[in-house]
Amino acid sequence: QKEVEQNSGPLSVPEGAIASLNCTYSDRGSQSFFWYRQYSGKSPELIMFIYSNGDKEDGRFTAQLNKASQYVSLLIRDSQPSDSATYLCAVSGGSYIPTFGRGTSLIVHP
Amino acid sequence: EPEVTQTPSHQVTQMGQEVILRCVPISNHLYFYWYRQILGQKVEFLVSFYNNEISEKSEIFDDQFSVERPDGSNFTLKIRSTKLEDSAMYFCASTRQGDNYGYTFGSGTRLTVV
Repeated sequence: QKEVEQNSGPLSVPEGAIASLNCTYSDRGSQSFFWYRQYSGKSPELIMFIYSNGDKEDGRFTAQLNKASQYVSLLIRDSQPSDSATYLCAVSGGSYIPTFGRGTSLIVHP
Repeated sequence: EPEVTQTPSHQVTQMGQEVILRCVPISNHLYFYWYRQILGQKVEFLVSFYNNEISEKSEIFDDQFSVERPDGSNFTLKIRSTKLEDSAMYFCASTRQGDNYGYTFGSGTRLTVV
């Protein structure tokens, strides 16, 4: 059974701070890693994907992958109230079908 | 930007009734997917579809479920005899190839079984 674990939160950060969201996964054969943002009652929206160990930056978002530790994280710099949402980690292997975590709720307060 | 569209946005049905959820994938996409999310739970894979047949399905996708691409644009999920536990958000997604760059999800159909 492939597991993707996330702390459900909520993670509360002040506006302008860095929010750090973490995810661990059980399948060592996992190859692709995704972060989605989901506002309440809405569908998931892809933020980033990462395949290789290290960091990948896109605007205010940085994904970090450590395959040896089976750990992937998402950093959000200069957090804004509009970033308040649930962040879903998803992991896939050779079949390309991702397994989703339950998500971490992020609250950015002014 | 191309979108995946889903109809209806909300459907209420009585237990035991059949429902059909509809999706219009992004044109020129070849792979289609259905996921569901029970309130407060994970997004769960149901089925993937390519070349007019199911390519992969999960344990959730039992004989009560079926998928179809009845024409060149629509992709449907049918639940033959709904149960209370089928109440969930159902999301459709499509990809151009069976690639791994992440999904574009439709806006979802909220199914409520009473």
